[in-house]
Parts: sequence; C-alpha cells; structure tokens
Amino acid sequence: AQSVTQLGSHVSVSEGALVLLRCNYSSSVPPYLFWYVQYPNQGLQLLLKYTSAATLVKGINGFEAEFKKSETSFHLTKPSAHMSDAAEYFCAVSDRSEKLVFGKGTKLTVNP
Amino acid sequence: DAGVIQSPRHEVTEMGQEVTLRCKPISGHNSLFWYRQTMMRGLELLIYFNNNVPIDDSGMPEDRFSAKMPNASFSTLKIQPSEPRDSAVYFCASSPRWAGDNNEQFFGPGTRLTVL
Repeated sequence: AQSVTQLGSHVSVSEGALVLLRCNYSSSVPPYLFWYVQYPNQGLQLLLKYTSAATLVKGINGFEAEFKKSETSFHLTKPSAHMSDAAEYFCAVSDRSEKLVFGKGTKLTVNP
Repeated sequence: DAGVIQSPRHEVTEMGQEVTLRCKPISGHNSLFWYRQTMMRGLELLIYFNNNVPIDDSGMPEDRFSAKMPNASFSTLKIQPSEPRDSAVYFCASSPRWAGDNNEQFFGPGTRLTVL
C-alpha cells in the first residue's frame, strides 16, 4: 500500500526566501509522485509530476521537485517565494494505477 | 475547456435530509473520482469509476453514501440520511487515461456541504 507523509502542516517564509516543502513516500512498487496546489476555495491543481523519467522535475510557477529513491523523498522547492505562492500544497503517490494517495497537506504562508 | 463542473457549490441542509452532489467531468475523460476533504482526515478518496463502472468504492464511509455514473458526462454522490459529521468539502476529479503514464487528475471546485 502507498502512503505519503508531509512534514510540517504549516510553513512560513518571507517573500523572496527559499521555499522547501517536504514529502516522504512509501510504495511497494516504483511510484509516480505528484505535487498539487490548492488556493482558497478552489480545487487542486497539478504543479508537477514524476513518472520515472528525469529525477529533477520542473513544474509551473517556478517550482521543482527532486525524486530521491534512497531517501524515499520528493521535496518541493522554489528559490524565491512570491506572495501569490500562499496556498496549501499536497504531495501524492500512485502505484501506477488510477488511484492517488494524498498527504495531509502543508499550508504555506508568505510574509511580506 | 470548461474543466470539471460541480454543483451545487454550497449546500446547507439539516440532519436526516437527502443530499445529492453532481459532477460533470471533462469531455473525453474516462475516469472519475469522488473525494472528501476535512480538516481532521485530509483528502480521502471515496469512490472512482472507469468508463462509467465503479472500480473501487472501499473509501465510501457507510451505506448512507452512494454514487452513480449513468453516462460518461455525469455522476452523482448521494448521502441519505445526512449527518453533521458528513460536513466537508466534496471534490470530483476526472482523468483522461486508464493506468497510463499520464494519470493526472483534474479537480473541480468542490461542493462545501454543511449538515446542521
């Protein structure tokens, strides 16, 4: 069975600072991994996904994530935070079936 | 492309009443998912369909919940009778492929359900 752990339910950064959101996964098969973003009162939008090609994945809005098999991690980063990045971020894992298993989410606050 | 459409966006009802949530997936997508989001439990998959057939309903909390997909462009999630603990945001998502490389799910805006 797959599972996802997101360390830190809340992360606060200053505008212009590095954003690092942590995600560790558990999977019995080579996984597909996803990061989604949810803005207030909206559904989830895909930021980026890893599907066994390059281990460093670039997504929208300047975000990227690196798949590290040895650490079972897929942390999300952005070099410089913008006020518009304030949202909730969800990591998800798939065993290559239709189902996604989501983490509990990390709420990102960006301070001016 | 209109995206996944859900209705209503907000629903307030009283305990014991029947609630029906509706979803129109993106045209051409052949998989549809119903999720429930709460502060306590996060985002939970309730049920999903492929080509209008329910594939996995193991996430449906109890018999009070039922879901149907009568055709490729419409699905409903029904709660009867509703209880206060059903209060949550319910999301519908659709996906274009079956177990392929690109199993990205596209989410609707959600229905916020409040059961008094």
